[in-house]
Amino acid sequence: ETGVTQSPTHLIKTRGQQVTLRCSSQSGHNTVSWYQQALGQGPQFIFQYYREEENGRGNFPPRFSGLQFPNYSSELNVNALELDDSALYLCASSLRAGATDTQYFGPGTRLTVL
Amino acid sequence: AQSVTQPDIHITVSEGASLELRCNYSYGATPYLFWYVQSPGQGLQLLLKYFSGDTLVQGIKGFEAEFKRSQSSFNLRKPSVHWSDAAEYFCAVGAPILTGGGNKLTFGTGTQLKVEL
Repeated sequence: ETGVTQSPTHLIKTRGQQVTLRCSSQSGHNTVSWYQQALGQGPQFIFQYYREEENGRGNFPPRFSGLQFPNYSSELNVNALELDDSALYLCASSLRAGATDTQYFGPGTRLTVL
Repeated sequence: AQSVTQPDIHITVSEGASLELRCNYSYGATPYLFWYVQSPGQGLQLLLKYFSGDTLVQGIKGFEAEFKRSQSSFNLRKPSVHWSDAAEYFCAVGAPILTGGGNKLTFGTGTQLKVEL
């Protein structure tokens, strides 16, 4: 069984640019959540997708957007990058979106904004 | 709103010694609690979880955690630490997303564990 995978592993962008991060969910999982982990901090919830629909979002501006595809893989898009967007971006998949559905994390994408 | 506090930013223990990492949560309803471990440059690996029932839960790698409702705590323990346990440990509480129908994790700021040989 393949776990959660993310690409790319590392990314360097400049302020004002746009970036797309990708996530493949674990087999059989229809829910994907995205988190941002700044250096020295715990992960912060960005948003969640369930069966191709956004299922709620955290306290992030609209320039953070996402998609989920029919195969339940997902993308996180960030427009107009700011220096503070530099972080590890983690994707997690779960069987469903319920409270007892454990979230399994991928290895993350390290984004550096210069 | 829910929150998680991990009071210890860094902890150093000798290999073979016992370990306890503290976690306190704030949540109005029955909490769903998790411990994850993160090795340098890696994602998060689930160690154990508590949803209901027995308040002492067993996880992988010899870890266990005890849920104490009266103290709003969910401390992680291991009787004998191995050098490979050096990593960052995150406690999290699961709760509904206010703006949607799903559930999110709210994490503490983590505890960095160093193991002395």
